[in-house]
Amino acid sequence: DTAVSQTPKYLVTQMGNDKSIKCEQNLGHDTMYWYKQDSKKFLKIMFSYNNKELIINETVPNRFSPKSPDKAHLNLHINSLELGDSAVYFCASSQGWVNTEAFFGQGTRLTVV
Amino acid sequence: GENVEQHPSTLSVQEGDSAVIKCTYSDSASNYFPWYKQELGKGPQLIIDIRSNVGEKKDQRIAVTLNKTAKHFSLHITETQPEDSAVYFCAASSNEKLTFGTGTRLTIIP
Repeated sequence: DTAVSQTPKYLVTQMGNDKSIKCEQNLGHDTMYWYKQDSKKFLKIMFSYNNKELIINETVPNRFSPKSPDKAHLNLHINSLELGDSAVYFCASSQGWVNTEAFFGQGTRLTVV
Repeated sequence: GENVEQHPSTLSVQEGDSAVIKCTYSDSASNYFPWYKQELGKGPQLIIDIRSNVGEKKDQRIAVTLNKTAKHFSLHITETQPEDSAVYFCAASSNEKLTFGTGTRLTIIP
């Protein structure tokens, strides 16, 4: 009965590869997010989708492309991975997209070698 | 854009004592201030939030205060317990975007 689930939990890959992280929520929420948490624990929003429409796109390299096939899913595809992409990526969802509680997944620890 | 500063970065408290974490924000338009707790290997989880039309909110051992004039808000945990050990994040919502503070690692000493 996991609310927000991400796969995989761990991802180790070589520089230059392309990888995807999948996220699904079963809370019936209409807004989903991707956050990046760096090695210093700093948490920063990358993307926000509301009803499958892109709402927030922070200054993220074009190598990162989110895709929302439906309201319950928001996947993150990363092309040409770089060492600096190593971080923990969190998917989250909320009901509405203004001033509401965000529910986070358990995170995907991406390590680029 | 919004800038949220959080202090201290680490905090050790004797079990049973109180812990206070403080945050300041820069955008006077921010109107929603949640606090998240992140345990090891898990995603952040909301523990309490406050909106700009309220000065204080309490939920059992946890309370949050907001001073809109000074643009700062604080988390207070009383009667701390070992399970309170975690990283705590404050956040401020401005332009429909949540900006997080840099986190406070709270350690409860038994």
